[in-house]
Amino acid sequence: DSGVTQTPKHLITATGQRVTLRCSPRSGDLSVYWYQQSLDQGLQFLIQYYNGEERAKGNILERFSAQQFPDLHSELNLSSLELGDSALYFCASSGTGTSGSSDTQYFGPGTRLTVL
Amino acid sequence: GESVGLHLPTLSVQEGDNSIINCAYSNSASDYFIWYKQESGKGPQFIIDIRSNMDKRQGQRVTVLLNKTVKHLSLQIAATQPGDSAVYFCAGSSGAGSYQLTFGKGTKLSVIP
Repeated sequence: DSGVTQTPKHLITATGQRVTLRCSPRSGDLSVYWYQQSLDQGLQFLIQYYNGEERAKGNILERFSAQQFPDLHSELNLSSLELGDSALYFCASSGTGTSGSSDTQYFGPGTRLTVL
Repeated sequence: GESVGLHLPTLSVQEGDNSIINCAYSNSASDYFIWYKQESGKGPQFIIDIRSNMDKRQGQRVTVLLNKTVKHLSLQIAATQPGDSAVYFCAGSSGAGSYQLTFGKGTKLSVIP
């Protein structure tokens, strides 16, 4: 168990809908990262938050957004869903997420999103 | 940007043998590399990491080797066990204060009892 929790475990929804994925980082970790894992694209970085502020952005669509709350949990919002958004969404957390290259990211169990 | 890829998509080894999983990267500025193990239905699990100022690091039954000259790293698993069967990913960070990881496609390791 990595200490990172994600809810829900599975999510099935229809095209055009909006969903919210939730992540709670390990105790004491300030950084949260979101990744998408699909069969054709592999694991892709979406976005990083550090202590409530956006730190880095990757291949995140404009239909997707995220935020990190004062208690450090994070939510990933996916809107106007398309069939191609079906994937596993992982959250990871690390201690600082700032300079220094030894800050290990620990991953949660993921949320499997199916868009029908 | 960072590009990390794997040489082989699948690897089958006999139980008790050593496994070697390879990974190539393209960005010379990468300063941090990490190996993850992902079992079916689970999230990536940290195995071992290495910084660019090192060329070898050992853990429990695992060793990571980094060759910056040819931009290559490998994961060696000693005395491979059935529980080692999983997909293994290498990932790298592009440096410059960014911690975002770029992942390779993964190698599926199958251990034959």
